Amino acid sequence: AQTVTQSQPEMSVQEAETVTLSCTYDTSENNYYLFWYKQPPSRQMILVIRQEAYKQQNATENRFSVNFQKAAKSFSLKISDSQLGDTAMYFCAFLNFGNEKLTFGTGTRLTIIP
Amino acid sequence: KAGVTQTPRYLIKTRGQQVTLSCSPISGHRSVSWYQQTPGQGLQFLFEYFSETQRNKGNFPGRFSGRQFSNSRSEMNVSTLELGDSALYLCASSTRSGTNTEAFFGQGTRLTVV
Repeated sequence: AQTVTQSQPEMSVQEAETVTLSCTYDTSENNYYLFWYKQPPSRQMILVIRQEAYKQQNATENRFSVNFQKAAKSFSLKISDSQLGDTAMYFCAFLNFGNEKLTFGTGTRLTIIP
Repeated sequence: KAGVTQTPRYLIKTRGQQVTLSCSPISGHRSVSWYQQTPGQGLQFLFEYFSETQRNKGNFPGRFSGRQFSNSRSEMNVSTLELGDSALYLCASSTRSGTNTEAFFGQGTRLTVV
């Protein structure tokens, strides 16, 4: 079974600063996906970024980028130039290739301070 | 393109009753997954349906069941409700197309059992 660990329950950062959210996972699989989801107070889960395990290049989406270390089973999210709208719960999630069952971490509550 | 639609958004039920939640996936998506989100247990996978067949099931009691119709819409049923079933129930749809997998979530149904 896979497990996903987010060791930072809460974080806060000043607007326009950079923040990094940590995630580690455990799996014996070789083909899988990793995701970061954002859940604002509206409760809608929104996909922030996705990484395929077979890709060595780290994924980037505008101000969001990841540091994927496959050997270390680490998948951190970096948010650059943070904005007030980034305030939300952030969940790291794991998905086996060919499966649709997402395994989530416990989440990090991120607050952007004006 | 319309997103994932979950109805109802809020529900209050009494212990012992049963409840049915509905999820309409994004047009063209044939996979629908259900998750339970609680403060104590976090996000937990309930089950996944694809082409009207249950493909995957989480570790929940038999009181939790689901089905999928030919138009890919899915329903989740919880019988003999318990106080601990109070949660946000999230539905996600995807194409289940191998390397292009991405789950899109609905806004959830907030179930309160009193």
